[in-house]
This record gives sequence, C-alpha cells and structure tokens, in this order.
Amino acid sequence: DTEVTQTPKHLVMGMTNKKSLKCEQHMGHRAMYWYKQKAKKPPELMFVYSYEKLSINESVPSRFSPECPNSSLLNLHLHALQPEDSALYLCASSQDQGLDYGYTFGSGTRLTVV
Amino acid sequence: GENVEQHPSTLSVQEGDSAVIKCTYSDSASNYFPWYKQELGKGPQLIIDIRSNVGEKKDQRIAVTLNKTAKHFSLHITETQPEDSAVYFCAPKSGGSYIPTFGRGTSLIVHP
Repeated sequence: DTEVTQTPKHLVMGMTNKKSLKCEQHMGHRAMYWYKQKAKKPPELMFVYSYEKLSINESVPSRFSPECPNSSLLNLHLHALQPEDSALYLCASSQDQGLDYGYTFGSGTRLTVV
Repeated sequence: GENVEQHPSTLSVQEGDSAVIKCTYSDSASNYFPWYKQELGKGPQLIIDIRSNVGEKKDQRIAVTLNKTAKHFSLHITETQPEDSAVYFCAPKSGGSYIPTFGRGTSLIVHP
C-alpha cells in the first residue's frame, strides 16, 4: 500500500459545527503532516507529528485541533471555523521527519465553511 | 528561513516540446531537492528528487539538475504530452530544518 487516504473528499460546514478530517497510511511512515492549500497557492504547513507526538505547530488557530491516535492515523478536528478557512486540506506522510525523503500526499479534503 | 523562488509561474508549450522550470533557494545548507506535480483535484505527487551529492538525475522523460554553487535546481521535461499539464512545485529542504519550503508553483500547459 503506497497511498495516503483522506476522508471525506468534500465537506461543507457551518461556522458553529464541529467536524473531523481523517487521514490514514499503511506505509510504516513515522512522520505525518497537515497542510492547508488555497487556490493557486503552494501548500502551507499546519502541523507535524513525528512518532505520534506533535513536533511542529505553525501557529495555527485553536479552532484546528490535530490528533494522532496511532502511527497510521491522523485526524484534524474542526470547530467554530470561519469562511476564510475554506481551502483544500492535505495530509502527507514521510518515512521520518529528519530524513531526506519526499512526502506522500493524499488527495485532500475540499472544505467549505458557510 | 529558506527563501525559494520558482520560475516561470506559467509555461505554455506545444506537445512534443521540452519544458524547463527553475527553482532558486537561499540556504547553502539545503541538501534535498524534490519536485512535485499537482494535477487538478489531487494532492501533490513526488515525481523526482535529487540529493546534494549528485548533479543530475533522470527518469524517462523527466530530469532534475542541481547547481549547488549557484543555489538552483531545475526540472526538465522532454517530449511533453497533454497529461504533463499540471502545477509543479519545487520544495528544497534545508539541512537545518526538517521541513521543506515550497516554491510558488509553475502552471504547465501542454497544447495538443
């Protein structure tokens, strides 16, 4: 299995809703990442988990809450989002945060906040 | 942090032509140089990478060249095909940081 699977593919939520994005990989990668991508822009790093521990939080607002239940799963919990949070949310994984290997990205969750 | 510039922002070619995208970085300690391809509605996909001890690497129609002295690396695509149409990102990784810095992307359009 050489894929990163993200669910759901599309999500529409109101500003008072609570929802979660899910990401799964079975490549034995020990680093997992959440990125946010706006249209026609490069991905922006949000969070990094290394060996199931949060290692980087790029000053992301607290309405985004990451969770890594085990080495294969990564969640992003969403609460009280704003319309400007609408974007493509990408999950990625790599063998190890400190090693020079590329990332495997999922296809993303297209989030619309109304 | 790493300052990355990617050019051109848009590249339009005819099918069969070659395409070259250049990425310039600022950190001389950078040691890993990947290129990602992002098709519409998909996440970025690693297509080729090079490490600092190698000057050039080829994989069929794509190649990456590295000039560490000048601090730039380039993606070369030969015999372009319509399915090469996508946005391409460079993402050099500094030795002092565990996280790559993405360029702003190049939209490649291959006309049949």
